[in-house]
Amino acid sequence: SQQGEEDPQALSIQEGENATMNCSYKTSINNLQWYRQNSGRGLVHLILIRSNEREKHSGRLRVTLDTSKKSSSLLITASRAADTASYFCATDARTYNTDKLIFGTGTRLQVFP
Amino acid sequence: EADIYQTPRYLVIGTGKKITLECSQTMGHDKMYWYQQDPGMELHLIHYSYGVNSTEKGDLSSESTVSRIRTEHFPLTLESARPSHTSQYLCASSADSFKNIQYFGAGTRLSVL
Repeated sequence: SQQGEEDPQALSIQEGENATMNCSYKTSINNLQWYRQNSGRGLVHLILIRSNEREKHSGRLRVTLDTSKKSSSLLITASRAADTASYFCATDARTYNTDKLIFGTGTRLQVFP
Repeated sequence: EADIYQTPRYLVIGTGKKITLECSQTMGHDKMYWYQQDPGMELHLIHYSYGVNSTEKGDLSSESTVSRIRTEHFPLTLESARPSHTSQYLCASSADSFKNIQYFGAGTRLSVL
């Protein structure tokens, strides 16, 4: 991947459990975003965290950012079957044109009822 | 739901045909993007535009071409489709340069026989 690597590649959990996905990137960034993609559909923006922020919450989502380790994590609490999707991190690396995003390889999450 | 539309959703065509994938947005966004995504894989930027009469090639080389004659319309054309062009094509737009939150269409799944 040019910029983002995510792990795990796939994750299967039961409803009610928490899901954690990790993203690592290579260069300095202005901000990092997480997107969700349902099978066969386009991506939907979930949350953005700026490079000077360490943690951000939105509903059942919690994102952390560690710029010293060039990594981010997305935590989905109390997962539901409807959370089944692929999740991608995206960065606008400062060494690249900031109008372009570089997407990670994605984590496929499956939540069983 | 974002106001960005892609047609057709699915296209199956024979080798050598000329095709145009349509992308329109009603949000007045200046920046638009085309990505190519194979199943279960990361997104690769193939074209982008910063406004009318502006088009640039992305990070992944593509035989397709784009045009931006109107702000709301960003079609992608393949002059002679080949089986190697089989993929999902996603269109996106954004308004904010700093945050660059992108809004995606539902995608066109292209199969070239």
